[in-house]
Amino acid sequence: SQTIHQWPATLVQPVGSPLSLECTVEGTSNPNLYWYRQAAGRGLQLLFYSVGIGQISSEVPQNLSASRPQDRQFILSSKKLLLSDSGFYLCAWSVLRDSGEQYFGPGTRLTVT
Amino acid sequence: GENVEQHPSTLSVQEGDSAVIKCTYSDSASNYFPWYKQELGKRPQLIIDIRSNVGEKKDQRIAVTLNKTAKHFSLHITETQPEDSAVYFCAASIPGAGSYQLTFGKGTKLSVIP
Repeated sequence: SQTIHQWPATLVQPVGSPLSLECTVEGTSNPNLYWYRQAAGRGLQLLFYSVGIGQISSEVPQNLSASRPQDRQFILSSKKLLLSDSGFYLCAWSVLRDSGEQYFGPGTRLTVT
Repeated sequence: GENVEQHPSTLSVQEGDSAVIKCTYSDSASNYFPWYKQELGKRPQLIIDIRSNVGEKKDQRIAVTLNKTAKHFSLHITETQPEDSAVYFCAASIPGAGSYQLTFGKGTKLSVIP
């Protein structure tokens, strides 16, 4: 069966510091991968998605970037964090390109101080 | 792009009663409509979905209905239980080039009162 991992689970970072969040999927190949952000008490905002290695599409212009160096690895990065970057970051995957079903990882709770 | 409106934002029901959450979408090209349940501090979990070629789908106590003409879909939970308390999100998706992009509603906080 498929499993999705995210780390770290929680992170506290000062403003202006860099960020690297990692997501990996097991038990499948060539998944679509997604990064979402959820602000406290709010809905889910799609940040990036990827249909393959090195292929990244951005939905929201911001100081974040994403990369997919391997088939089942998706990384979210920032060079300088802002206070507004605080939130719950969720990675999601879908395996069937024509199904639409997405499954979320456990998330990383980021607090920027 | 797609826009999804979800109502109500909060809903309280007595245990055993039914709960209904409604969503509307803007883009008639949307053809996939999932519902997610998110418990406090946890990840959203897919609980039921419906595609545009189906009008209704049921799974035990939960059901989803879709009205393509009116561009709205609803989640129905019958015989509610305290463990149904959570935030529920609807979403709509337009198929793209090898990828579905979900647009989410803002969520409904359901409280089931014992």
